[in-house]
Amino acid sequence: EAGVAQSPRYKIIEKRQSVAFWCNPISGHATLYWYQQILGQGPKLLIQFQNNGVVDDSQLPKDRFSAERLKGVDSTLKIQPAKLEDSAVYLCASSPMNNEQFFGPGTRLTVL
Amino acid sequence: SQKIEQNSEALNIQEGKTATLTCNYTNYSPAYLQWYRQDPGRGPVFLLLIRENEKEKRKERLKVTFDTTLKQSLFHITASQPADSATYLCALDATGGSARQLTFGSGTQLTVLP
Repeated sequence: EAGVAQSPRYKIIEKRQSVAFWCNPISGHATLYWYQQILGQGPKLLIQFQNNGVVDDSQLPKDRFSAERLKGVDSTLKIQPAKLEDSAVYLCASSPMNNEQFFGPGTRLTVL
Repeated sequence: SQKIEQNSEALNIQEGKTATLTCNYTNYSPAYLQWYRQDPGRGPVFLLLIRENEKEKRKERLKVTFDTTLKQSLFHITASQPADSATYLCALDATGGSARQLTFGSGTQLTVLP
């Protein structure tokens, strides 16, 4: 079974620029999550989708972050404009109907 | 305020010994708690899930306990090996089981010395 795919793996941008991350979850997983992991900390949930609907986006900075999940499969997370404090690893995870989450390798974002 | 604390940022133990990692939480009533392993440059990998009505769970050399009175989970690795070196994350259900949503601790970096 293929795992969660994310791209790109690394991205370096300057502050105020825009960036987008892509996630392809495990086939058949209805729930998809985006997390932000700052160095030395645990993952922090940004947004949770159930199929193509948003379950929770209470911790998503909506003035600059947006996310969508078209057709209940792939998802994109966008930051516009980026700030220095957005430097982090962005992790995508998916889950079947049980509670275990399967994580992708993450995208390491550096904002200069 | 809600808080999850993992015992220490780093733990060094000798190969063959038992590693014990602690996860304490306040102001949560989780229906379950999970432990994940994270290696550098990779996403977390699920290890074990324990529910609020379970005292203990085992999987090979791993054992997890869950004490809802103490608001604490202990994670044990017996007969530790250098390959067990990684960061271990405690994650608990933040929604009382309704939304399958996790809140993570900051992790404990375990190093098993040969």
